[in-house]
Amino acid sequence: EPEVTQTPSHQVTQMGQEVILRCVPISNHLYFYWYRQILGQKVEFLVSFYNNEISEKSEIFDDQFSVERPDGSNFTLKIRSTKLEDSAMYFCASSGQGAGEKLFFGSGTQLSVL
Amino acid sequence: GENVEQHPSTLSVQEGDSAVIKCTYSDSASNYFPWYKQELGKRPQLIIDIRSNVGEKKDQRIAVTLNKTAKHFSLHITETQPEDSAVYFCAASTGTYKYIFGTGTRLKVLA
Repeated sequence: EPEVTQTPSHQVTQMGQEVILRCVPISNHLYFYWYRQILGQKVEFLVSFYNNEISEKSEIFDDQFSVERPDGSNFTLKIRSTKLEDSAMYFCASSGQGAGEKLFFGSGTQLSVL
Repeated sequence: GENVEQHPSTLSVQEGDSAVIKCTYSDSASNYFPWYKQELGKRPQLIIDIRSNVGEKKDQRIAVTLNKTAKHFSLHITETQPEDSAVYFCAASTGTYKYIFGTGTRLKVLA
């Protein structure tokens, strides 16, 4: 069964450093998402991406965040200057049909900002 | 703003008993309601979903019911097994790209 894959599984960084989280969505999916989950809390929407542009973003997704689809397979989340409160599990997700359709999540990247 | 409330936060049941998890959503425009199961340290996995034009959906031991008037939807697991132990999240979507998740229910099935 096709899966969304994410790398790295764990990322440790110093506060103020830039990080890039990488995702390979399911190959025939067209809609891509980033969510995050702070330990023990609910999954929170960050951003959705379709046709090479952001479809929707949350208030969490401020100017420190950016997304990119640099080629036909990868989807990345960049945090320009990490803060302690950015520490969380970041999940990439994809769906085949877009709004109101099944989301398939990757296995996540645990980001720890020291 | 949009919100999904989920209860209970923890639930312990004896193996073989039923478990019910309830969610309430705030946005009446919500029309898609998935449920995800998340085992410790793993990704959320979709287990069942329902759309607003359907009142109930069943898949083996799992069922979901939707009451649009009350803006409630519930997950029912019958004949629970130890492998059902996990955190369960409900979510709601208005048909936009954003899914609002509930706060999660930690289900423990006691053998």
